[in-house]
Parts: sequence; structure tokens; C-alpha cells
Amino acid sequence: LAKTTQPISMDSYEGQEVNITCSHNNIATNDYITWYQQFPSQGPRFIIQGYKTKVTNEVASLFIPADRKSSTLSLPRVSLSDTAVYYCLVGDRAEYGNKLVFGAGTILRVKS
Amino acid sequence: EPEVTQTPSHQVTQMGQEVILRCVPISNHLYFYWYRQILGQKVEFLVSFYNNEISEKSEIFDDQFSVERPDGSNFTLKIRSTKLEDSAMYFCASGGYSAGELFFGEGSRLTVL
Repeated sequence: LAKTTQPISMDSYEGQEVNITCSHNNIATNDYITWYQQFPSQGPRFIIQGYKTKVTNEVASLFIPADRKSSTLSLPRVSLSDTAVYYCLVGDRAEYGNKLVFGAGTILRVKS
Repeated sequence: EPEVTQTPSHQVTQMGQEVILRCVPISNHLYFYWYRQILGQKVEFLVSFYNNEISEKSEIFDDQFSVERPDGSNFTLKIRSTKLEDSAMYFCASGGYSAGELFFGEGSRLTVL
């Protein structure tokens, strides 16, 4: 799995858009980018996955530039309940099947 | 929505005892995993399981640990001779055909005294 770098923590206020960027300079051609969310005392929860350009679902958007060396998770209009740890993972489908490795993640604190 | 269920939610055991943590993955999933998270630390990969055998294991997953899929629905993690440092939240996860999209259970909190 390619190494990823994320900010350790971020603070935001309710109603704001939050963008969390992940660097993955050594991403390989077959690698996908996946983001997870974890609330305290709960298991991680899949948010979104993408390969290139932009992916959007009901929870978030994922922006991936042409060189794919970074990606940005965008959370629109966050609320207090979005306070969680967000993980960026990069790997190919075979690696994902065998081993999904979580880094330290980004602690997002949403304030009122 | 289908979910991964884990039992027990919390287990307290004495050092040296054996514990078995149980998981019921989502029924049509093929890939199964165990992770652990020590309080305040990151989620650590332990082992992955596919087609009734271990696909990959971490250095944490030594002879003290074993996994089993005893029937078509359960997936268990056995920890032998528990140590204080085994105290952690243990998460089971399962995945289907969408690689990278794992579904995690609520976890089993293990406390070793």
C-alpha cells in the first residue's frame, strides 16, 4: 500500500465545508483511494472511494487531480456529529482484499 | 441494511486465560478481517481470511492468535494465554466484491486484568 500523509487534526465550525487533503506521492497505476470515518468506540466506516477526477455520494465528495499524487475529501456543511477521525488509504484491489492498513488519520473537531 | 455483528461487546478476563471473540459477517461477503485498536491508538491490522484460509497476517498475529470460520456464518478470533497488553477493542470486518469497502462491526472490548 502506498504511504499516505494527512494532517494530524483540523478544527471547523458547524455549517462550514471541510476539506481534508491526503498526499500519496508514490501512488501506483492500479491504486484506488479510499476514505474511512471513525467515531469514538466504533469501527471505521467506509465513506467514499475513487480512482481519478471527482466522485460524489450522499455523504462526501472526493477530488483527485490528474497526477493522482493527492486527494481531497470534502464534507459539505459539517455538523457536530461529523467530529471523528478520517482515514485516507491507497492500494490496489488485490492489496485491499488482503490487507487494509490504517494510518493515524485526521482528527476533525467540529465546534458550535 | 446488513451489518457485521460481534459478541461479546465487552469481556473481562484474567491474564493467562483464553478468550474467543465472535463475529457474524455480512452473509454474502467473502473476505474477513480482524483488527484491534488499543485505547487512543490507531486501528491495527491483525489478519485477513479468504476461502477458508489466512490471506495475510501482521507481525502482531503470532502463535497466541488464531482464527476460524467454524460454520457458514461465524468467524472467530481466539486469543490464548492473554496478556495485559492484549487489552484493546477488537473489530471484525467483512468485504464483498467492492475492493476496499469493508464493513466493520461495533467491536468487542477486551480487558485483561
